Amino acid sequence: GAGVSQSPSNKVTEKGKDVELRCDPISGHTALYWYRQSLGQGLEFLIYFQGNSAPDKSGLPSDRFSAERTGGSVSTLTIQRTQQEDSAVYLCASSPDQGVSYEQYFGPGTRLTVT
Amino acid sequence: GQSLEQPSEVTAVEGAIVQINCTYQTSGFYGLSWYQQHDGGAPTFLSYNALDGLEETGRFSSFLSRSDSYGYLLLQELQMKDSASYFCAVRVNAGNNRKLIWGLGTSLAVNP
Repeated sequence: GAGVSQSPSNKVTEKGKDVELRCDPISGHTALYWYRQSLGQGLEFLIYFQGNSAPDKSGLPSDRFSAERTGGSVSTLTIQRTQQEDSAVYLCASSPDQGVSYEQYFGPGTRLTVT
Repeated sequence: GQSLEQPSEVTAVEGAIVQINCTYQTSGFYGLSWYQQHDGGAPTFLSYNALDGLEETGRFSSFLSRSDSYGYLLLQELQMKDSASYFCAVRVNAGNNRKLIWGLGTSLAVNP
């Protein structure tokens, strides 16, 4: 079956604009994660969805960041009033459920550049 | 707080053996995962240790000592294609669920 897909693959936006990043997890995976990775750095956890549970938003860096997951499948990460420090690769991952959260399947990422 | 430490860079030659260490300080520890990431690519899962000891998968092995809050990834018979970044990640409590806390990664360069 298909892996995790993300769109767009690249996004260039002007400072102050809003952006939406999309993630399609592997079909049937109930757990979905968003991470941010700056050049040469590790993965910074942003938000975690597990089934119908309330999402874990503890990693969102500011209230400009929000995410939703519709129908337990597709997720959208929204960044409002983008800043230059938001420039990074945004990675989405999914796992079958939180019981195997140690094995996450990653999408190719969206490279966001804020000018 | 929660933290993981791993070396930033390691260099080795083809055919050699290399060990990448990871020490951690976390609460609610469940296990240690390892991921590989090639330049420009997405992280891919390598291994997971929930219990003490060595797990072997082909040329790669992973070790965990819960009492020492320490683990390592062992890569044998190194090949050029093993040049990549390697991340350790600790599985911890997240309310009623579990999530991964990631190290900063170790960049491995395999030279001819």
